[in-house]
Amino acid sequence: QKEVEQNSGPLSVPEGAIASLNCTYSDRGSQSFFWYRQYSGKSPELIMFIYSNGDKEDGRFTAQLNKASQYVSLLIRDSQPSDSATYLCAVNRGYGGSQGNLIFGKGTKLSVKP
Amino acid sequence: KAGVTQTPRYLIKTRGQQVTLSCSPISGHRSVSWYQQTPGQGLQFLFEYFSETQRNKGNFPGRFSGRQFSNSRSEMNVSTLELGDSALYLCASSLAQGLHTEAFFGQGTRLTVV
Repeated sequence: QKEVEQNSGPLSVPEGAIASLNCTYSDRGSQSFFWYRQYSGKSPELIMFIYSNGDKEDGRFTAQLNKASQYVSLLIRDSQPSDSATYLCAVNRGYGGSQGNLIFGKGTKLSVKP
Repeated sequence: KAGVTQTPRYLIKTRGQQVTLSCSPISGHRSVSWYQQTPGQGLQFLFEYFSETQRNKGNFPGRFSGRQFSNSRSEMNVSTLELGDSALYLCASSLAQGLHTEAFFGQGTRLTVV
């Protein structure tokens, strides 16, 4: 079982719709969770992070974490064509003295159609 | 505040050569991590440095090494280059304090081995 799994997509949504991106992780001891956006040919850009169970909202983005189900998701409301990118889920296990070790999923490619 | 700076942005090397990549973290960040990104494997953790010490290492051969200087700048070295080392090498910096492990990426160095 891969440590962090994401549906590779592509996920296609119409402009203005809600895009829902999902991620599961295998290590129950994982402590912090991140969503990065990566445009083609660019480096990953941090858009959300979450540590506690529940929802965290930032503008059009909502991250949801369910540690019991080992599941983290990202909702993008009012999707725009500029949101078209690959979204990477990353998990930090946060133990062993290492906090700079992120385990990434392969990413979900999102396409927002005008 | 300046972001993470990686140099050079592009490199072309021949098999068997060695290469050194450089990363300057965000001011105040003491943790620097290195990642390799390829289309097939995605983003994979190479190693993390914190206060000049390697704190964690991923599953890469010994040809991949790194170091960190007292000003937190880091270098990564790859010896005896192979064609499969062609990738985008990304550096990320983090405060790495408590749960605050948000990592911010540089623009990357695109390495091509011919």
